[in-house]
Amino acid sequence: DGGITQSPKYLFRKEGQNVTLSCEQNLNHDAMYWYRQDPGQGLRLIYYSQIVNDFQKGDIAEGYSVSREKKESFPLTVTSAQKNPTAFYLCASTMRQRNYGYTFGSGTRLTVV
Amino acid sequence: SQKIEQNSEALNIQEGKTATLTCNYTNYSPAYLQWYRQDPGRGPVFLLLIRENEKEKRKERLKVTFDTTLKQSLFHITASQPADSATYLCALDKGSGNTGKLIFGQGTTLQVKP
Repeated sequence: DGGITQSPKYLFRKEGQNVTLSCEQNLNHDAMYWYRQDPGQGLRLIYYSQIVNDFQKGDIAEGYSVSREKKESFPLTVTSAQKNPTAFYLCASTMRQRNYGYTFGSGTRLTVV
Repeated sequence: SQKIEQNSEALNIQEGKTATLTCNYTNYSPAYLQWYRQDPGRGPVFLLLIRENEKEKRKERLKVTFDTTLKQSLFHITASQPADSATYLCALDKGSGNTGKLIFGQGTTLQVKP
């Protein structure tokens, strides 16, 4: 079955540490997205990529970095510059043409310890 | 400023009734609007998409309306069931020049009681 896989499901980060969240899809989707979700708030866009080797900042990109070396993969690194990284992180993908729904992964819950 | 607003208060209804959720937006001209369902600790699941030139869209017990004059979408679940209990998110694109990039509301939690 096609889908989008995020790992790990839970991640704990120490202060000053960089961590990388994995996102892989086998849907042959062109575009991929990273969102952050905090309690009581909507999803906020961190980064997105519409084609391989190209990505753009979203609304809250500071303290995060991404790469898109393969169509299937869009990893997100949460750097030590991100001051409040504790959140639920969601990866999504869709066809590049507009008016397609997103397929989301099951999320990674990141906690700073 | 641009805003998407959904009712932050939970909606509690009795099984069998129709649930109606509201999504209002300001300072956007979206080409389409989408609705998603999200269960606790899970990623959202796509339900329906409605285009700006469509007034209404249906899928089984779901119905979505889109009024670009009022800048509002209504999401209806008819004959609601306890299994429909979840948080429902609306999302819209930011209009031309923003291919595929969605902005999400904060969601409304629906609780259907047996």
